[in-house]
Amino acid sequence: GAVVSQHPSRVICKSGTSVKIECRSLDFQATTMFWYRQFPKKSLMLMATSNEGSKATYEQGVEKDKFLINHASLTLSTLTVTSAHPEDSSFYICSARETRDYEQYFGPGTRLTVT
Amino acid sequence: GQNIDQPTEMTATEGAIVQINCTYQTSGFNGLFWYQQHAGEAPTFLSYNVLDGLEEKGRFSSFLSRSKGYSYLLLKELQMKDSASYLCAVISNDYKLSFGAGTTVTVRA
Repeated sequence: GAVVSQHPSRVICKSGTSVKIECRSLDFQATTMFWYRQFPKKSLMLMATSNEGSKATYEQGVEKDKFLINHASLTLSTLTVTSAHPEDSSFYICSARETRDYEQYFGPGTRLTVT
Repeated sequence: GQNIDQPTEMTATEGAIVQINCTYQTSGFNGLFWYQQHAGEAPTFLSYNVLDGLEEKGRFSSFLSRSKGYSYLLLKELQMKDSASYLCAVISNDYKLSFGAGTTVTVRA
C-alpha cells in the first residue's frame, strides 16, 4: 500500500527559532500533499494544499509567511514553521494523494513543542 | 462551507456493537471516509463510501445515505484495541477533506 513518511516524529525548539518538517511519499508520486494540524482532543484542521511545482493554497486564517510550504518534487513536501511560538505547539500531519485517487494517505505525524 | 457532526464520546462493552453516526452538510460531495486514530498517531483508513448503501469489511461496516447527508460506522465484536477516536470526513470537489470533531470510543471489559 501507499506509504507516507514524516520527519522528524518529534521536535522541541525554542521560541523564535524555525523548524522544518518533511513529508515524503515513499512508493508513489503525490500530485498533491496536504498539511494539517491537530490540537489535543480536537480534529484535524487543514492548513494548506500543496501541488508540486506551484505555490501552496492556504486555508483561511493560516499565515502563509509563518507556515512556509515547499513542494519541490512529486515525492517531497516541506512545512517550515518560522519564528515558532508556544502556541504553535501542535501535532502536524501531512497526507498525500495520487493523481486519480480520492484517498489521502497520511504520514505518522510530527509532534512540535515550542518552549 | 462544511458542517460535519458526530457524537463526542461513546462507551461500550467488549464484544458488543457500537454505531457511530455522522451527519454532514457540505458544498460538493465526492465521498465520505471513516478513519481510526489512536492518541498521538496519524489517522488510519477504515472505509470510503461514495454510493448509497452498506459497505462491510470484516468487523467494521459503513453506511451512506447521500439524500439524508448521513453516514454511520458500525463496529462489531468490539475489542479493547478498538478504543480510539473515529473520524468522519467528507471529500469535496477540490479533493479537500473536511473532518468531523471525532468520536472517542472507549471499550470496557
